[in-house]
Formats: sequence, C-alpha cells, structure tokens
Amino acid sequence: EAAVTQSPRSKVAVTGGKVTLSCHQTNNHDYMYWYRQDTGHGLRLIHYSYVADSTEKGDIPDGYKASRPSQENFSLILELASLSQTAVYFCASSGRDWGSETLYFGSGTRLTVL
Amino acid sequence: QQKVQQSPESLIVPEGGMASLNCTSSDRNVDYFWWYRQHSGKSPKMLMSIFSNGEKEEGRFTVHLNKASLHTSLHIRDSQPSDSALYLCAASMRNGGNYKPTFGKGTSLVVHP
Repeated sequence: EAAVTQSPRSKVAVTGGKVTLSCHQTNNHDYMYWYRQDTGHGLRLIHYSYVADSTEKGDIPDGYKASRPSQENFSLILELASLSQTAVYFCASSGRDWGSETLYFGSGTRLTVL
Repeated sequence: QQKVQQSPESLIVPEGGMASLNCTSSDRNVDYFWWYRQHSGKSPKMLMSIFSNGEKEEGRFTVHLNKASLHTSLHIRDSQPSDSALYLCAASMRNGGNYKPTFGKGTSLVVHP
C-alpha cells in the first residue's frame, strides 16, 4: 500500500503567523499535490508538483506557497495565516505512467487559525 | 465556478437498495474520471476509475462514462451501512502524461439499516 505521511496531524495557528505543513511519500511517485477540504466544497487543489524543485499553481493558490526539495517531500507554506485558511489539508501523490494515476492521500492536517 | 458538478448533494437509501450518483465535467479537455470514497474523519480512497466510453463493474459497484457529454455515474447495488460516506468525483486531462485531478463537492451517502 502506497504511503503518504503528513505532519502535523493538527495545528492551531494565530492570524498573521507562519505555518508549514509537511508531506513525505515513500511511493516513488513523481507527482504530488496539496488539496484543502472545507465542508460543502469537496477538495480544492492549491499547488502541485510534477518533479523535484518545481511547483505549479492549482485552482486556489492565493495565500499559499509550496516547496518540493526532493521527490519524497512536498511542503505547503502559509506565510501570513488568515482565518479563512482554517480547513483540513490533504497531501497526495500519484505515478506518472499510464495506469498509475490513482491519488494516494495522507491522513490530513486539521488547521485552525485563530 | 466548479468544473466538476456532482448530484445529488446527499442521498439516503435503505440497506440492500441501489444508490446512483452523478458527475459531469464542464471542461471539455478532460478524458479521465475517478470515484473516490471518503469515510467520516478519514482520507479519500480511490474506488473506481474510467476513461473509456461504456461501463465498468467491480463487485457491487458499476461506473458508466459518456465521453460526449462528459458525464459519469456510479451505481452501488445491495448498499450496506458501511457504504455510508462522502463520494467524490474527480476529472483530469491526461495530455502529455501530466494531469491535475479536479474534484467535485461530493455526494454524501447514508445507507440506513
């Protein structure tokens, strides 16, 4: 079973503070993604990466940065956390080859911004 | 604007009944669809995927795809209480081997005993 590990599992942050969410995968997957989940919104793509040292903006990138220093690691950075960024964040990885497109998700990080 | 629309938002079926969920993409570039299931408090897990016109069956689950209308549906027969979950539809273009799945808002299914 593919493995994606997120840390921390939950975090409380203050408005205006910096938050870093980390993701580590041992699937040898090329692609990694950050999604946020809010009630009534399903999953929305924030940033994604096809290769180490390169990231792409997703559908809702404002207020977020991403970093992919290696194939295994993908971080999401909130430089100035805001109340509207309270949500559950999921990291996922998938393969590049045809037939390996299934997303494997981490357990999620519940972020509360006060 | 949500590019992937799911309906209904919620669905209640009796145990043993049939659940039918729908999903349509407004992005004419997509050519691959997935159905993910997310139990409460857990992360989504892929249930089925489809990229060819027609039907695909795996156990109690059947998925249909009409590529012309970019519509897919998931049917669960003999529904069980353990099927109660949020069902998420995802769609992506697979052009050049790069893709970024876009999800709908989901259908919340409750199967009551």
